[in-house]
Amino acid sequence: DAGVTQSPTHLIKTRGQHVTLRCSPISGHKSVSWYQQVLGQGPQFIFQYYEKEERGRGNFPDRFSARQFPNYSSELNVNALLLGDSALYLCASSLYPGRINQPQHFGDGTRLSIL
Amino acid sequence: GDSVTQMEGPVTLSEEAFLTINCTYTATGYPSLFWYVQYPGEGLQLLLKATKADDKGSNKGFEATYRKETTSFHLEKGSVQVSDSAVYFCALVIPPGAGSYQLTFGKGTKLSVIP
Repeated sequence: DAGVTQSPTHLIKTRGQHVTLRCSPISGHKSVSWYQQVLGQGPQFIFQYYEKEERGRGNFPDRFSARQFPNYSSELNVNALLLGDSALYLCASSLYPGRINQPQHFGDGTRLSIL
Repeated sequence: GDSVTQMEGPVTLSEEAFLTINCTYTATGYPSLFWYVQYPGEGLQLLLKATKADDKGSNKGFEATYRKETTSFHLEKGSVQVSDSAVYFCALVIPPGAGSYQLTFGKGTKLSVIP
């Protein structure tokens, strides 16, 4: 079975541009979360979605937004890119949110570089 | 707020050596605790977890015990292999009331095992 898939794998943008990252969860998983991992740091929570509704939001500016589609796939959008947005963006899926015994499964991430 | 502190890396060990990676946490509630592993160029994989005090999580020869009195969840392995070379992340989640599941990660500890 396919795991969590993210696209693209690598992306280069310049300051001020906009970017859209995509995530397809494991088949049957209804919850998707997004994390930002800056080089040398642990991942930081950005968003969680379940059934197309936002269930949680981390401490990120309004330039970051996301949505979930009826097929449970998700997009993360970042506007007005800054150099500090350079990071690995990870998507994770689970059957349902908030269930400790249902771990999150992570994709391999999208590496975003801002020039 | 909630936080996780891991020992600074990198850690370099010879094959078959004993491994300990220290992890302590600060949490407002009663967290569940996790260890994730990240191999080069890949996303995060759940290594083990523990959901209540004195629980021992174990997987692939790795173990960690949830110590509430010392707020710790140290990772151990009796005999490391070259294939264990990776970055290890300690993480926690507070069981949510509103159905959100936000992992809080430490900064990660890079382990290199040499033959």
